[in-house]
Amino acid sequence: AQTVTQSQPEMSVQEAETVTLSCTYDTSESDYYLFWYKQPPSRQMILVIRQEAYKQQNATENRFSVNFQKAAKSFSLKISDSQLGDAAMYFCAYKEYGNKLVFGAGTILRVKS
Amino acid sequence: GAGVSQSPRYKVAKRGQDVALRCDPISGHVSLFWYQQALGQGPEFLTYFQNEAQLDKSGLPSDRFFAERPEGSVSTLKIQRTQQEDSAVYLCASSLESFMGSGPNNEQFFGPGTRLTVL
Repeated sequence: AQTVTQSQPEMSVQEAETVTLSCTYDTSESDYYLFWYKQPPSRQMILVIRQEAYKQQNATENRFSVNFQKAAKSFSLKISDSQLGDAAMYFCAYKEYGNKLVFGAGTILRVKS
Repeated sequence: GAGVSQSPRYKVAKRGQDVALRCDPISGHVSLFWYQQALGQGPEFLTYFQNEAQLDKSGLPSDRFFAERPEGSVSTLKIQRTQQEDSAVYLCASSLESFMGSGPNNEQFFGPGTRLTVL
């Protein structure tokens, strides 16, 4: 079965600085999708960024970017110019074509002013 | 409404009671998913509907869990004879396309969840 591992239970970053959240996954498939979701204390999960495994170019969405290393099965999220509103639980998730999402355990991100 | 809604937001049940959790997906969304999120953990898949058809229920933890979506829109997750280990947040998500869709329209939109506490 596919697994997703987030090795950092909690991270802190100073406002306006950059932070990187780590994620590794295990799969024997070559075609799949990876996601980072943000879950603020209100608990509504929001999609931050997605990456198709067949694309070599790393996805970016404004201040959010990923470092996708397919051979290493690594998918880290970089948040630049961190803002107070970025504070939340972040989940890395994996999805095969035509299958459900498999989530990691999450990383709590705290942003210090 | 504009997003996925769930009710109730909070539910306290005594052990052995039956509960029903409701999900209203985004109008027109074909796919509907239920996830269970234990405290401090990531969501885990329970079941999936494409319109009214339940195509995957492999994540339901026991036969006490039952889900339905009779008209292809609103869905209900029912838990019979609740146990303390059922305490969790139950998340519902919907997406525009079917399970097999791979494009941006297959993004799963999540509801706020129902926090179930079994005493």
